[in-house]
Amino acid sequence: EPEVTQTPSHQVTQMGQEVILRCVPISNHLYFYWYRQILGQKVEFLVSFYNNEISEKSEIFDDQFSVERPDGSNFTLKIRSTKLEDSAMYFCASSDLAGWEDTQYFGPGTRLTVL
Amino acid sequence: GESVGLHLPTLSVQEGDNSIINCAYSNSASDYFIWYKQESGKGPQFIIDIRSNMDKRQGQRVTVLLNKTVKHLSLQIAATQPGDSAVYFCQNSGYALNFGKGTSLLVTP
Repeated sequence: EPEVTQTPSHQVTQMGQEVILRCVPISNHLYFYWYRQILGQKVEFLVSFYNNEISEKSEIFDDQFSVERPDGSNFTLKIRSTKLEDSAMYFCASSDLAGWEDTQYFGPGTRLTVL
Repeated sequence: GESVGLHLPTLSVQEGDNSIINCAYSNSASDYFIWYKQESGKGPQFIIDIRSNMDKRQGQRVTVLLNKTVKHLSLQIAATQPGDSAVYFCQNSGYALNFGKGTSLLVTP
């Protein structure tokens, strides 16, 4: 069964460093998403991406964040200068159709720890 | 996403019993609903979905009921197992899924 994969499973970085979190969505999906979950809190939407551009983003997704689909299979989330409060689980998701029409399938997450 | 809310933050059931998790929504125009579960340390996992032209949909050990009159849906889990212990979320359509706090299902032996 196809699934969303994410690498690395755990990333440790120093405050102020740039990190790139990688995702491989399900191959025939067209819509891609990033969410984060701070420990003990709810899953929060960050951004959605379709046709090589951002279609929606939350207030969390500020200028420090960017997304890219560098090739036909990967979808990345970059944090330019990490802060302590960026420590969280980051989940990638993808869907075949727009989110209101179809299910988003989630990856296993990347745990980001900022020291 | 539109406002959806789960009725109980926690639910404790005995292994083998049936579980019912309830959810209310506010937008009568909502036409697609999804149930997710999240186990500790893992990403949300799709369980089952239902569209507004249906009242009931069954999966493997799970059933979702949709009552559009009172804007309520429920997830029923038959013969609950320890592996069903997780936080459950109901969602309706929208890009930005709003997971809320969910209902934490605890299955006791």
